[in-house]
Amino acid sequence: GAVVSQHPSWVICKSGTSVKIECRSLDFQATTMFWYRQFPKQSLMLMATSNEGSKATYEQGVEKDKFLINHASLTLSTLTVTSAHPEDSSFYICSAAPGAFNYGYTFGSGTRLTVV
Amino acid sequence: AQSVTQPDIHITVSEGASLELRCNYSYGATPYLFWYVQSPGQGLQLLLKYFSGDTLVQGIKGFEAEFKRSQSSFNLRKPSVHWSDAAEYFCAVGAQSSGDKLTFGTGTRLAVRP
Repeated sequence: GAVVSQHPSWVICKSGTSVKIECRSLDFQATTMFWYRQFPKQSLMLMATSNEGSKATYEQGVEKDKFLINHASLTLSTLTVTSAHPEDSSFYICSAAPGAFNYGYTFGSGTRLTVV
Repeated sequence: AQSVTQPDIHITVSEGASLELRCNYSYGATPYLFWYVQSPGQGLQLLLKYFSGDTLVQGIKGFEAEFKRSQSSFNLRKPSVHWSDAAEYFCAVGAQSSGDKLTFGTGTRLAVRP
């Protein structure tokens, strides 16, 4: 149980276009999901907390107009990278918890975004 | 604010040897502590977690970790490493008072020598 599916696994897009990444909790409902960014050989940096039915909470320094987050249902959160640039190329990972925080978070398999 | 330090960036051990990965945290109260493993190009898999109670916790794949409050540490151990254990290991700390967010260490890359 507690499976988080992330799609696509990898995507290549042209500069200036937008890319949408989906994060789904397959066998549980998640009122909260988290989006991380990971640079090569580095740790995970929390970008934002996605809250079902309300606005996302962004971490300091993360541009909310560039990284649009929508959490329209209890099983789906999306991250849209708008007007992508090569510096947005990175590995994006989502996570969710099937219950209380102390249950532990389940992570998606990540999305490798390359902007050319 | 909470923080996590993983002092070792790279570690290489021989297959069959024992392993200890270090993790030190900074937090005012008792934190929730986690160890995750990440294979290249993949998401993170939870190995084990500590919230309260017995300070020695058992996880999956033969891993264990010990919470030592006096040293603010949560080191990960395995008595006998397998080649398939080669991966990146992340220690993380969280607390409900910080909005259930996790703060990750910088990771330790484990290589296993045949």
